[in-house]
Amino acid sequence: QSALTQPPSASGSPGQSVTISCTGTSSDVGAYNYVSWYQQYPGRAPQLIIYDVSKRPSGVPDRFSGSKSGNTASLTISGLQAEDEADYYCSSYAGRSKVFGGGTKLTVL
Amino acid sequence: EVQLLESGGGLVQPGGSLRLSCAASGFTFSSSAMSWVRQAPGKGLEWVSALSSGGDSTYYADSAKGRFTISRDSSKNTLYLQMNRLRADDTAVYYCATMGTGWVLRSWGQGTLVTVSS
Repeated sequence: QSALTQPPSASGSPGQSVTISCTGTSSDVGAYNYVSWYQQYPGRAPQLIIYDVSKRPSGVPDRFSGSKSGNTASLTISGLQAEDEADYYCSSYAGRSKVFGGGTKLTVL
Repeated sequence: EVQLLESGGGLVQPGGSLRLSCAASGFTFSSSAMSWVRQAPGKGLEWVSALSSGGDSTYYADSAKGRFTISRDSSKNTLYLQMNRLRADDTAVYYCATMGTGWVLRSWGQGTLVTVSS
């Protein structure tokens, strides 16, 4: 049950695109199309923004997109907005367990 | 609207026990798998435990095995986490969440803080 690897920080200017990577193994990210991404503001509960690698729950803007290649998943936020400044966590089903990444703090410059 | 309300957190001494509750409303609780996730102060998310919709299948992170027990009472629409032999590194905000296919955590509660300290 090792954590997935995310960059601790990322940044971008308003209107730009930013991509956050999430690297796992052939036992989690690489084995299942069950990668999800969560957005968390300080002092708030996490919120689901991407599931099943690339699906968006209703209400999540299409500026958020997800993808996967091999053992690495990615979250791309296009048209960056100030409100996107938050922590982002990836997660994967890992066979009768679930594993999270360490989180990425996104700063909108 | 899905609502999840955790309670039962507080200050407990190392080696002590605590039972967390998660009151659910706005959806068919008996049909939903559920999960607990925790977040230590200033740290990332850590999955703790999961429970099938029928309550017959339980799953635990290595850090919780043998010490924590997840359960549910569908007559009360409530999820529980019994935590025994608590350690300082169990200090965290504990969230309950609904769990869908692929173990996606769709809806989250606001969390309850557990502090293990003497």
